[in-house]
Amino acid sequence: QSVLTQPPSASGTPGQRVTISCSGSSSNIGSNTVNWYQQLPGTAPKLLIYSNNQRPSGVPDRFSGSKSGTSASLAISGLQSEDEADYYCAAWDDSLNGSNWVFGGGTKLTVL
Amino acid sequence: QVTLKESGPVLVKPTETLTLTCTVSGFSLSNARMGVSWIRQPPGKALEWLAHIFSNDEKSYSTSLKSRLTISKDTSKSQVVLTMTNMDPVDTATYYCARIALGAFDIWGQGTMVTVSS
Repeated sequence: QSVLTQPPSASGTPGQRVTISCSGSSSNIGSNTVNWYQQLPGTAPKLLIYSNNQRPSGVPDRFSGSKSGTSASLAISGLQSEDEADYYCAAWDDSLNGSNWVFGGGTKLTVL
Repeated sequence: QVTLKESGPVLVKPTETLTLTCTVSGFSLSNARMGVSWIRQPPGKALEWLAHIFSNDEKSYSTSLKSRLTISKDTSKSQVVLTMTNMDPVDTATYYCARIALGAFDIWGQGTMVTVSS
């Protein structure tokens, strides 16, 4: 059971806009920034969005992130076949039990 | 070019101690505000953060695995080492090291698959 909640799957057709949600709590998303990672099949994760809505150099502007309260979203516009991958959100969690980086359970994006 | 590469045993027996090494290049482990984390991923499952260490030697561990983990670094060798004691089959996973910068895991190693079995 992941601390951050993501839908297990999402899908869209080429050219469509797809959003993936990430729900947390006041101890993680509510008080810290959110990062998003893309994991293509059989490869290591890659940083896609950091600090809620910043794109690292080289990431297309088709990818965008947003955060509101204790939830965050990743949007992919102009969907392409090469976007088919697993997507993970992550945030630092400051709880009474201790502090950890926490991840979502991942969302498998299928391009139909 | 920044790279990280994990190395360690492919197979460990239950109750043994796992030692993994992350060798970095393209940046220094003494760079301010940078660190290295270990993250693992069981087959078909989600990512799980294990530990991190920063340039000032600040360390942090997963609350659930803290008693079993030790992270350390050798700046002169550009290496970060993670040890995990009392390995169990549920610890079978791909283990990644990743650089921490921009408040995120910005560069990842390719990962190393570790199987725990007798």
